This record gives sequence, C-alpha cells and structure tokens, in this order.
Amino acid sequence: DTEVTQTPKHLVMGMTNKKSLKCEQHMGHRAMYWYKQKAKKPPELMFVYSYEKLSINESVPSRFSPECPNSSLLNLHLHALQPEDSALYLCASSSSPGQTTEAFFGQGTRLTVV
Amino acid sequence: GQNIDQPTEMTATEGAIVQINCTYQTSGFNGLFWYQQHAGEAPTFLSYNVLDGLEEKGRFSSFLSRSKGYSYLLLKELQMKDSASYLCAVRGEGSNDYKLSFGAGTTVTVRA
Repeated sequence: DTEVTQTPKHLVMGMTNKKSLKCEQHMGHRAMYWYKQKAKKPPELMFVYSYEKLSINESVPSRFSPECPNSSLLNLHLHALQPEDSALYLCASSSSPGQTTEAFFGQGTRLTVV
Repeated sequence: GQNIDQPTEMTATEGAIVQINCTYQTSGFNGLFWYQQHAGEAPTFLSYNVLDGLEEKGRFSSFLSRSKGYSYLLLKELQMKDSASYLCAVRGEGSNDYKLSFGAGTTVTVRA
C-alpha cells in the first residue's frame, strides 16, 4: 500500500465555517506534511509532523490548525478562512529522516472559500 | 533560503526527447527529486539524486551535479500522456531534513 488518502476531495466553505481536512497513510511513515498549491504554482510547505510532533510551521496563519492524532492520521482544521485561501491542499508522507526516500502525495482536497 | 529555477514551458513532439534543467541555490542539500504532476492531480515521484551522476529509470533519467547546483530530467520517446508539469524539488538537511522545496515547475506539452 503506497497510498496517501485525503478526504474530502472537494470542499466549499463560507468564511465563518469550521471544517477539517483529513489525511491517512498506512506505510509506516513517520513524517507527514501539509502543502498548499495555487493554480499553476508549485506546492508550498505549510506544516511538517515528525513522529507525531509538529516540527516545522512555515509561518502559517492561525486560521489553519494542524493535528496529528496518531502516526497514520493527519488533520488540518480550518476556521475563518479567506477567499485567498482557496487552493489545492496536499498531504504527503515520507520515511524517517536520514532515509533517502521520496514523499508520497495524496490526491489533494480542492478547497473553495466563498 | 532556497532558490530553485526551471524553465516555465517546453514543447516537444511525440517520440522525441526533452531535457528539463533545474538549477538550485540552497542553504543545505540532502537530495534532489523530480515529480510529475498532471493538471488537478497530486505530484507523483519520478526520480531521486543525492550523488553526482545519472540515474536511469526506463524512459526517464535524471542527472545531478552538486558542485554546479544543477540537475536535469531527460524524457525519452515522449508520449502524449507525458504532457504534464515537472517539478524539481530539493530536500534540506539538518533541521530542514524533512523540508522539500519546490521549483515553479516546467509545463511540458507533447504534440502529435
């Protein structure tokens, strides 16, 4: 199983809503990531979890709140988003540091903030 | 910081060869990845280089020169399905070992 599964695939939310994005992998990877990708732009790193602890936060606004309940799951809680937050949100996972393996990406959640 | 450059667009004919260059200037280096991304889909892994030289995987090859901060992805026997964006990504080291920084991507269009 080399899959990273993200739900939902599409999400439309209002600026006052609270929603969550979910990500799951069963490859035993201990690093999990959230990326944001705008149209025709490369993915931009938001957060990295290593062994279920937040290790990198790329100065992301607090309206995005990550959570790693266990080694297989990663959530991104969304609250009071702005229209400019509309993007493709990608989850990825990889093995522990020092191992030369690639990051596997999920199919992404297409988020539209109205 | 990270500065990763690659051409914006390339066009080639079915059956031909295309070479996508990537130059990087990074504060740390622990490997370079190439990903393929079709429109609206997730990036998929193509290749990884951490030592100088050429890595070959079927129709795709990737080359790295660490001293020059340079890599290329070579796509041979192009097929229509190879039309996609190709992303060069550099992995950091130390505290940034988990961090993959992406170039802006090169959109390759394969014409019949």
